[in-house]
Amino acid sequence: EDKVVQSPLSLVVHEGDTVTLNCSYEVTNFRSLLWYKQEKKAPTFLFMLTSSGIEKKSGRLSSILDKKELFSILNITATQTGDSAIYLCAVERPTGNQFYFGTGTSLTVIP
Amino acid sequence: NAGVTQTPKFQVLKTGQSMTLQCAQDMNHNSMYWYRQDPGMGLRLIYYSASEGTTDKGEVPNGYNVSRLNKREFSLRLESAAPSQTSVYFCASIRRLFNTEAFFGQGTRLTVV
Repeated sequence: EDKVVQSPLSLVVHEGDTVTLNCSYEVTNFRSLLWYKQEKKAPTFLFMLTSSGIEKKSGRLSSILDKKELFSILNITATQTGDSAIYLCAVERPTGNQFYFGTGTSLTVIP
Repeated sequence: NAGVTQTPKFQVLKTGQSMTLQCAQDMNHNSMYWYRQDPGMGLRLIYYSASEGTTDKGEVPNGYNVSRLNKREFSLRLESAAPSQTSVYFCASIRRLFNTEAFFGQGTRLTVV
């Protein structure tokens, strides 16, 4: 059965800390892995990863994929209270255009 | 830019009532999806439509029906609502160019009492 597992489920840190969020997957016919940030409403796109070992960066956020070990990490450096959100990982299968989402990691950044 | 528009934003139903959630996208995307999001469960795929005129079941299709009337619109129908269908529902459409990106509607919070 295809599944996407994120860890930790929740995390509380202080401003300025660095956090690492994990996403592991068991999905046949993997096509891509996507990270989303969800604040109060709809998820917003962060990164798409298709190749192992190539880091994607956007400001203080970065992500990398390991297709051999079937996981991805999302790093956030120098966290700010605005980073508080649920971070969702999704794996795309090419067959049937399906996306499988993990349960998400709830990040709370305390001033 | 409207993107993905979902209606209604909130709804309360009695058990056994029916309703249709509407979703429209103005980005000319082929693929559209309906998800439900429950605490601790992430986003689970209910139904999806890879292109106009086609629909397929996702992970949790029971109790739902969908209709892809045209390229823009993809509706989700609850024929006989049950308390287990209390959830937040998201519609999404997918863009595939150099990257794959999902655009989400703002969600519908449905409570079935």
